[in-house]
Amino acid sequence: GDSVTQMEGPVTLSEEAFLTINCTYTATGYPSLFWYVQYPGEGLQLLLKATKADDKGSNKGFEATYRKETTSFHLEKGSVQVSDSAVYFCALSDSGGANNLFFGTGTRLTVIP
Amino acid sequence: DAGITQSPRYKITETGRQVTLMCHQTWSHSYMFWYRQDLGHGLRLIYYSAAADITDKGEVPDGYVVSRSKTENFPLTLESATRSQTSVYFCASSDTMRSRPQHFGDGTRLSIL
Repeated sequence: GDSVTQMEGPVTLSEEAFLTINCTYTATGYPSLFWYVQYPGEGLQLLLKATKADDKGSNKGFEATYRKETTSFHLEKGSVQVSDSAVYFCALSDSGGANNLFFGTGTRLTVIP
Repeated sequence: DAGITQSPRYKITETGRQVTLMCHQTWSHSYMFWYRQDLGHGLRLIYYSAAADITDKGEVPDGYVVSRSKTENFPLTLESATRSQTSVYFCASSDTMRSRPQHFGDGTRLSIL
């Protein structure tokens, strides 16, 4: 079945450091891929998405490119801020019509000043 | 303001008790969802609903009951709570079947003693 694998956390970085959170997926069809962010005490918010191979999603300085050849959708940011501290979830939506999202286990990011 | 409201935000109850988590959305979205969030599992879909009076099981439906008599409300009931149902529960909505991402509420943290 469809699934998403994220890098284990937690990740701790200094402010202005470069961020990469790895995400790989398994899917039989042509899924859409998402990154969600969850700030403390809140629900998930969509951060960015890509719906087909080679698409790049971007938002708030974060980027991720849909790589079909490596089945990956790694999240990157060139210079993190303390306000980026949150849990990040990679997710996959299959193309079979079932209204569902398959989530990774989440990666907690802490940015220290 | 438009959005999704979950209540209560926190709930402690005992094994065997019935408990209902409420979810209300103001967008008139057709689709509504219940997820549970557990360490090591990310988010898993419990039930979803495509419209009033139409519901369907997700990945982990056992021990839960849902109803959707009105488009804006989607309550989740644990008929006889068990400790394994201790979790954080998120409600979400979307306007169409293929409209992803979904909008999430802020969650209900449920503890079953």
